[in-house]
Amino acid sequence: DAGITQSPRHKVTETGTPVTLRCHQTENHRYMYWYRQDPGHGLRLIHYSYGVKDTDKGEVSDGYSVSRSKTEDFLLTLESATSSQTSVYFCAISERADTQYFGPGTRLTVL
Amino acid sequence: GIQVEQSPPDLILQEGANSTLRCNFSDSVNNLQWFHQNPWGQLINLFYIPSGTKQNGRLSATTVATERYSLLYISSSQTTDSGVYFCAVLGGSNYKLTFGKGTLLTVNP
Repeated sequence: DAGITQSPRHKVTETGTPVTLRCHQTENHRYMYWYRQDPGHGLRLIHYSYGVKDTDKGEVSDGYSVSRSKTEDFLLTLESATSSQTSVYFCAISERADTQYFGPGTRLTVL
Repeated sequence: GIQVEQSPPDLILQEGANSTLRCNFSDSVNNLQWFHQNPWGQLINLFYIPSGTKQNGRLSATTVATERYSLLYISSSQTTDSGVYFCAVLGGSNYKLTFGKGTLLTVNP
């Protein structure tokens, strides 16, 4: 299995609070991705990174920001969490933008 | 963007049965993957198959890129095969995978 961890694995927070999710990899892969999974929508890309300090938006990026200051870590930040951001968040990595490997997911609940 | 449709949306099998899952996509692709999400939520990469045929144990996949579809075959199904199977494609010059909505497979003992 690819070495991908996500933290925290579960989080409950209140509307309006900032939240940061962390994805950490030990594979030295260039590409990293954040997805959210919601019933009826499948997995949708939030942001992705194609190198240190190189990031771009996915299809559902509003309300989210990301940072990648080193190869192994990709952070997803909700500046002011809303109930619509209650979801399961998955991180994925890829060496050459081909096969993607997924982390275990983070379940976020915004009350 | 690329549209991905999976069928059937739900499938119930008895243990030992065979099944075929289908993925149709609306444009040419550089990348097609099949994933299995188990009942605990873990996403497992099954195949990277932009074209051709691959086999891994009881599972095999075929992608006919010119006709814009891929098939996932599961033979002699087991209860541990239960879960959601996703097809995901990447087209054009970006790095964004587009996922289908999945097929929910239930294998009963």
